[in-house]
Amino acid sequence: KNEVEQSPQNLTAQEGEFITINCSYSVGISALHWLQQHPGGGIVSLFMLSSGKKKHGRLIATINIQEKHSSLHITASHPRDSAVYICAVGQGGSEKLVFGKGTKLTVNP
Amino acid sequence: DTGVSQNPRHKITKRGQNVTFRCDPISEHNRLYWYRQTLGQGPEFLTYFQNEAQLEKSRLLSDRFSAERPKGSFSTLEIQRTEQGDSAMYLCASSLVEQGLYEQYFGPGTRLTVT
Repeated sequence: KNEVEQSPQNLTAQEGEFITINCSYSVGISALHWLQQHPGGGIVSLFMLSSGKKKHGRLIATINIQEKHSSLHITASHPRDSAVYICAVGQGGSEKLVFGKGTKLTVNP
Repeated sequence: DTGVSQNPRHKITKRGQNVTFRCDPISEHNRLYWYRQTLGQGPEFLTYFQNEAQLEKSRLLSDRFSAERPKGSFSTLEIQRTEQGDSAMYLCASSLVEQGLYEQYFGPGTRLTVT
């Protein structure tokens, strides 16, 4: 069993829909990261959080430390949101990241 | 551009050849990480540096792999006697260690194809 599990693996939505991507982890963490990866490989950090909730524009990330679960929400989805969204957890003093396999999101116009 | 840069962006090599990748982190960042990502998978940790010291290496990093960060600035990752299984995207990330949480900034990656 992977230390970081994401669901769903693939998600197709219509423009304007509310989207939720889930992440569960089984190890102790210092922080949880949500990352966005576009075709071609570049990774952009969306959120880093250790408790509660954060919001940037149409994106919201929440974490429940007791349940070892995090969600990424996208409100009013748009085709430009189409990308792979990756959940990763930081571990130990090194803060090395352990990644989930990613969720491929496609938003159709 | 003050982000993390990686060179080359793409590398095609024949099995058995040696390859070297370079990562230039954000200038004030003291931590540098190397990750590897194969098709359809999330990235996996390879190694990291704090300043010039290599502090941890994954078991994924066989003896054919070596990484350096002379003077605590740029880093190089060398793969000797490449194998087809080395084909992957090699990602570099850097962060600044201060009090609190440490966000990592990623470079665009070097895509290696071993034929």
